[in-house]
Amino acid sequence: DIQMTQSPSFLSASVGDRVTINCKASQNINKYLNWYQQKLGEAPKRLIYNTNNLQTGIPSRFSGSGSGTDYTLTISSLQPEDFATYFCLQHNSFPLTFGSGTKLEIK
Amino acid sequence: QVQLKESGPGLVQPSETLSLTCTVSGFSLTSYGVNWVRQPPGKGLEWMGTIWNDGSTDYNSALKSRLSISRDTSKSQVFLKMNSLQTEDTAIYLCARGSFAYWGQGTLVTVSS
Repeated sequence: DIQMTQSPSFLSASVGDRVTINCKASQNINKYLNWYQQKLGEAPKRLIYNTNNLQTGIPSRFSGSGSGTDYTLTISSLQPEDFATYFCLQHNSFPLTFGSGTKLEIK
Repeated sequence: QVQLKESGPGLVQPSETLSLTCTVSGFSLTSYGVNWVRQPPGKGLEWMGTIWNDGSTDYNSALKSRLSISRDTSKSQVFLKMNSLQTEDTAIYLCARGSFAYWGQGTLVTVSS
């Protein structure tokens, strides 16, 4: 199974900050990596698919990058509505596996 | 628009069978697969299995002996059945469309006597 190591687990930041969240796969996942935002009681929302493709309707302050085993989600300028939990999903091979999540909190 | 909604019992007795339904709208089950995912309290997400648009299935090997996913295309419903439940199966159970672009909100299942 491919292990996804997500970091950091918690992140405290201010409105306007640039933040990055990382997912490291235990083996090459060929850019089959999605990023999600989840707020309490809501369905997860896909932000980025296949490493760097912005989901329709998602603001351009969200971006993704990476290759091989290392992937990054960047939020260029945090907005109040961005404080949430973020997680990654690798869909290169079964079983599909997720990162453990990053809780982004207001500083 | 695309919607998925999970439903089922909130409480299940240990050793019993869990039955959940994912009711979808805005797309056809013959065009898209549906995944089941769960999240135990305070833990990460676990992919459980997928029913593909042709009706075939893939399961997480860790759960395969206890898990069954099926569907009724006429009712736009996907079913999850898992037997021999234990307390560690307490989790929020979510369904998501094939490429995980759309998810339901999830339903909390507590395994307790």
